Amino acid sequence: GIQVEQSPPDLILQEGANSTLRCNFSDSVNNLQWFHQNPWGQLINLFYIPSGTKQNGRLSATTVATERYSLLYISSSQTTDSGVYFCAVRANTNAGKSTFGDGTTLTVKP
Amino acid sequence: NAGVMQNPRHLVRRRGQEARLRCSPMKGHSHVYWYRQLPEEGLKFMVYLQKENIIDESGMPKERFSAEFPKEGPSILRIQQVVRGDSAAYFCASSGRNMNTEAFFGQGTRLTVV
Repeated sequence: GIQVEQSPPDLILQEGANSTLRCNFSDSVNNLQWFHQNPWGQLINLFYIPSGTKQNGRLSATTVATERYSLLYISSSQTTDSGVYFCAVRANTNAGKSTFGDGTTLTVKP
Repeated sequence: NAGVMQNPRHLVRRRGQEARLRCSPMKGHSHVYWYRQLPEEGLKFMVYLQKENIIDESGMPKERFSAEFPKEGPSILRIQQVVRGDSAAYFCASSGRNMNTEAFFGQGTRLTVV
């Protein structure tokens, strides 16, 4: 099946810093989403981005489907950004189901 | 428009009991997915259902686990004779008529087996 690798696995930032999280995948995809799992365990949709670039406030994402990667940018980080960021992809050959990466654990210190 | 609703939020079962987890998809969504998250790990796919049909159950353990999505009512994930290793967070997601559209997740059910 498709492999999803996220990097870095852990990231510690000072409040106000910027960061880039990466998601590499091993096969063609028709669906890619970024999620934030907050410290209470809730999964929050950040972006639905099978290709192209999107922005939402301090967050933006870019997916280059032909090169099989996606990037999530967080600017001017805040302590509330702490948590785990997951990338989830749906391969063209796997109708319906998504495969998640292992996540990047972000800690933003005040 | 209510989101994906899961209940209960927390469930404690003794070893050998049955656990029933419920998921009501977002209004208008006909595709339901169940995922399991073990402590300190990512989410692993379990099963994909449409109304009255199991489309893909390749991630379901072969024994003790079953899922359904009846014509009326919520989707149910059933775990029989639970063991300590079943302790995890179980998430349900739903998506619209086109299965390749954005999926939305519920808040999860945290199962603890004692």
